[in-house]
Amino acid sequence: EPEVTQTPSHQVTQMGQEVILRCVPISNHLYFYWYRQILGQKVEFLVSFYNNEISEKSEIFDDQFSVERPDGSNFTLKIRSTKLEDSAMYFCASSELGLAGSQFFGPGTRLTVL
Amino acid sequence: AQSVTQPDIHITVSEGASLELRCNYSYGATPYLFWYVQSPGQGLQLLLKYFSGDTLVQGIKGFEAEFKRSQSSFNLRKPSVHWSDAAEYFCAVGEEYGNKLVFGAGTILRVKS
Repeated sequence: EPEVTQTPSHQVTQMGQEVILRCVPISNHLYFYWYRQILGQKVEFLVSFYNNEISEKSEIFDDQFSVERPDGSNFTLKIRSTKLEDSAMYFCASSELGLAGSQFFGPGTRLTVL
Repeated sequence: AQSVTQPDIHITVSEGASLELRCNYSYGATPYLFWYVQSPGQGLQLLLKYFSGDTLVQGIKGFEAEFKRSQSSFNLRKPSVHWSDAAEYFCAVGEEYGNKLVFGAGTILRVKS
């Protein structure tokens, strides 16, 4: 069964450093998403991406964040200058048709900012 | 704005007992409703979803959920819980042509033998 993959599974970084979280969506999917889950809190939407541009973003997704689809398979989330409060589990998801219910989630990357 | 409330943070049930996890939502139109399960170290797996039609929906792993518009609820049920069902369960709401899911805070299910 096709699945969304994410690397790395765990990333530790120093405050102020840039990090790139990588995702490989399911191959025939066209819509891509990032969500995050701060420890003990709910899963929160960050951004959605379609046709090489952001289609929707939340208030959390400020200028420190960016997304990119650098090639035909990867979808990345970059945090330019990490803050302590960026520590969270980041989930990538992809969807074939863009309907909310068809989102398939990856296993997540746990980001720890020291 | 859409919102989802899961009133129970933790629930403990005995193996073989029935289970009901509560979910209430706030949304102006007919919502798209979902239940996801997250096992430790795993991603979010879709258990079931409701878009329209029959208000009782069946999902994977023996789960079902019932949409009750009058109560703005979408409770998840299972008649007989197995130890492998121990996980965190998330209710979520989405829009028909929207781009995002809005999640509840989750309910951690513990199963005792």
